[in-house]
Amino acid sequence: QVQLVQSGAEVKEPGASVNVSCKAWGYTFSGHYIHWVRQAPGQGLEWMGWINPRSGVTNFAQNFRGRVTLTRDTAISAAYMVMSRLRSDDTAMYFCAREMETMTGTLDYWGPGSLVTVSS
Amino acid sequence: EVVLTQSPGTLSLSPGERATLSCRASQSVYNNHLAWYQQRPGQAPKLLIYGTSSRATGVSDRYRASGSGTDFTLTISRLEPEDFAVYYCQPYGSSVTFGGGTKVEI
Repeated sequence: QVQLVQSGAEVKEPGASVNVSCKAWGYTFSGHYIHWVRQAPGQGLEWMGWINPRSGVTNFAQNFRGRVTLTRDTAISAAYMVMSRLRSDDTAMYFCAREMETMTGTLDYWGPGSLVTVSS
Repeated sequence: EVVLTQSPGTLSLSPGERATLSCRASQSVYNNHLAWYQQRPGQAPKLLIYGTSSRATGVSDRYRASGSGTDFTLTISRLEPEDFAVYYCQPYGSSVTFGGGTKVEI
């Protein structure tokens, strides 16, 4: 049974960094890209980027280039999203999701989300 | 980058009625393929439809989707209480984008 388990809620001060983890269960981790999507309170979905777990190659939405790092640890089937220089408008729920088929962008399994609150 | 416009923004319907949701793209969608997601309050999005018209595993056949090029439609027949949610469309492609969503409310 495919499952993505994310790390818990975080509260950070402006300017800090946050690390969100996403551990995959029930499938071959290296076989599917992992995407990150965020959702600010009351807003829609905003795609951030993806990582190819097999190669480590990443791709980002323009808004997140230079401020977000995506990594993975294939030994434990986990993906990580690090966002630096946090601002108050980064307060959001952060989801990881598995891509169903390479380069389609279709996300068939989602983690429950990790709430990141940025506040002084 | 493809821009997706979903309409209406909010659809107010009663259980048992039919919902028709529209998704219009600013340019032809790659391979004519689109996905739809449902998001209930406090939950992660859930894949409903992929490849424009294929239902994801376990999705009720009350959900039907169609379209090509720039115009796509999701229809939910005989609304049930669990269908009241927000729905997002998303075109195929290596860089992901989502429509703004349609809220189906009671």
